[in-house]
This record gives sequence, structure tokens and C-alpha cells, in this order.
Amino acid sequence: GQQVMQIPQYQHVQEGEDFTTYCNSSTTLSNIQWYKQRPGGHPVFLIQLVKSGEVKKQKRLTFQFGEAKKNSSLHITATQTTDVGTYFCAGMSSDTGFQKLVFGTGTRLLVSP
Amino acid sequence: DGGITQSPKYLFRKEGQNVTLSCEQNLNHDAMYWYRQDPGQGLRLIYYSQIVNDFQKGDIAEGYSVSREKKESFPLTVTSAQKNPTAFYLCASSLRGHRYFGPGTRLTVL
Repeated sequence: GQQVMQIPQYQHVQEGEDFTTYCNSSTTLSNIQWYKQRPGGHPVFLIQLVKSGEVKKQKRLTFQFGEAKKNSSLHITATQTTDVGTYFCAGMSSDTGFQKLVFGTGTRLLVSP
Repeated sequence: DGGITQSPKYLFRKEGQNVTLSCEQNLNHDAMYWYRQDPGQGLRLIYYSQIVNDFQKGDIAEGYSVSREKKESFPLTVTSAQKNPTAFYLCASSLRGHRYFGPGTRLTVL
């Protein structure tokens, strides 16, 4: 079945450093979504990318969807302690006729002041 | 104040007991979902419902059951047949594809 892999599993940065997490799907996606889960909290939707090669920005966060619609990345510029949490990508496929969303394993980000 | 509520936040049960986790939404969303999250893993789909009185198995439905008698409510029962029920359970609803998650219930089976 469809699989979504994320790397790295964990990253520890100093405040002010940049951070990137990568997401790869075994199948072509109709869209990809990104979520953030703070420690002890629940996932919160950040953004959805639909078009091949699409790039979207939210302040210091830049999201990219690959040309083949099988991979995506999230880049955070100049991390802050408020960026701490686990970032999940989730790929949506229409293969089954139902808009199934498959979550990646997540990248846990720790930011030291 | 619209959103999804899950209760209780923490739940402890003895092995062999069935337990029901509550999920209520006032977002007027048709679709609702149950996910399970284990440490270091992503979210895995247990059951989903796209409309009242209809639900479908997800990837890990064995040992779980659900009902959808009302649009607002989608309770999940963890039965004694679930081999390893200790986990963080997240309920979600959706509009335009992306998920709105509840605060979750952390279930520990002793």
C-alpha cells in the first residue's frame, strides 16, 4: 500500500539555525498536507499543496511540492523555540476512490535557546 | 466556540475490559476519523465515517468498533480483542480534505 517516509526522524538545532524536513511517497499524490504537533498536543493543520512544483510560504516556513508530486519539503528559516514540535507530512491519494490521507512518521524538532 | 472534544483526556483500564472513547464535533463536518498514534510513529487510521449511519475500516481496525448515529458524534470502542491498546487516540473531522483534530485521549491498559 501507499507509504510516506519522512527524514530526519529527529533534529536538534540552536535557535536561529535553519531546519528542513523531507517527505517522500511511494505513489503519486493528489495533494500533500503538513501538520505540526506540539509536545503533549494534537496535530494542527499548517498547509496544503496541490500543484506540481508548488511553493508556499508562511512567514519563516517554506513548503514545496515536488514536480512529480511524490515528495515535499518543509524549511524553517531562523528557528525559534516556539517551533519545537513534531512536523508531519500527509499525502492524499485518490486511488481507492476515497480521499485517503497517509501520514508520514514525523520529524521531531528540538530548538535550544 | 467550534471544535472537536474528546473525553476523557487520560483513561486507565484493566486488561480484558472494553472501553469507549468519546468524540464530539460542532463543526458541522460530514466526515470523521479515528487515528492511533504510538511513540515515534505517524498516525494510523482506525475507522472513518463519511456520513451518518455509515463507516469504513481503516488500516488497523482489528479490535476496534465504532458507531455514527449522529453527525456530531463518532465514539470508538476499544475491545478486549485489541492486542496492544495502550496508545494516544485522536479523533478528527474534515472539510475540504484536511483534518481538524481533537485534543486526544491517552489510553493506558494495565
